[in-house]
Amino acid sequence: DAMVIQNPRYQVTQFGKPVTLSCSQTLNHNVMYWYQQKSSQAPKLLFHYYDKDFNNEADTPDNFQSRRPNTSFCFLDIRSPGLGDAAMYLCATAGLNTEAFFGQGTRLTVV
Amino acid sequence: EDQVTQSPEALRLQEGESSSLNCSYTVSGLRGLFWYRQDPGKGPEFLFTLYSAGEEKEKERLKATLTKKESFLHITAPKPEDSATYLCAVRGQAGNNRKLIWGLGTSLAVNP
Repeated sequence: DAMVIQNPRYQVTQFGKPVTLSCSQTLNHNVMYWYQQKSSQAPKLLFHYYDKDFNNEADTPDNFQSRRPNTSFCFLDIRSPGLGDAAMYLCATAGLNTEAFFGQGTRLTVV
Repeated sequence: EDQVTQSPEALRLQEGESSSLNCSYTVSGLRGLFWYRQDPGKGPEFLFTLYSAGEEKEKERLKATLTKKESFLHITAPKPEDSATYLCAVRGQAGNNRKLIWGLGTSLAVNP
């Protein structure tokens, strides 16, 4: 009965080769977030959607893009992954002013 | 500027040895303080939401409390399976109030 599902759990990509991570939710939440988390660090917000309204963080590199085709799905596109983009990518959803629920994450390795 | 500071960074306990984790925050207009547990290689698991000073929530061996400046996560008689990183986050009312401000977490190890 997973509520926020991320696919794949593990992704290996080549340096510079575009990669897409996916997230789906069964909670019907308005807000969906994408976070990047590196070892022993707090999650770092890349961007979030409120319904179809896209909100980018000022320090998110242009290399990272996102799409939300409908309420249930959200995608993270990394156009040209570098070695520094290797991390855990976390998707989360929330209702307005409620707690966020996270998926299990996608561990991205860049070779 | 909204800010969250967690202490200690790391804590090692013996099984059954109760203790507390601290989350100090500065936020304009608290719209929620959230505690999460994160196991290695997994996404954060939601534990508690607290909205106003004096509020308390409990779940099994965990109890979260809130004042106007800080929150405590009390762990009573911990077991090895409580070993994890505990993260604290707040949501304020300034600006984009859908964003969470995160602390760096407390890494808890409980020895049998």
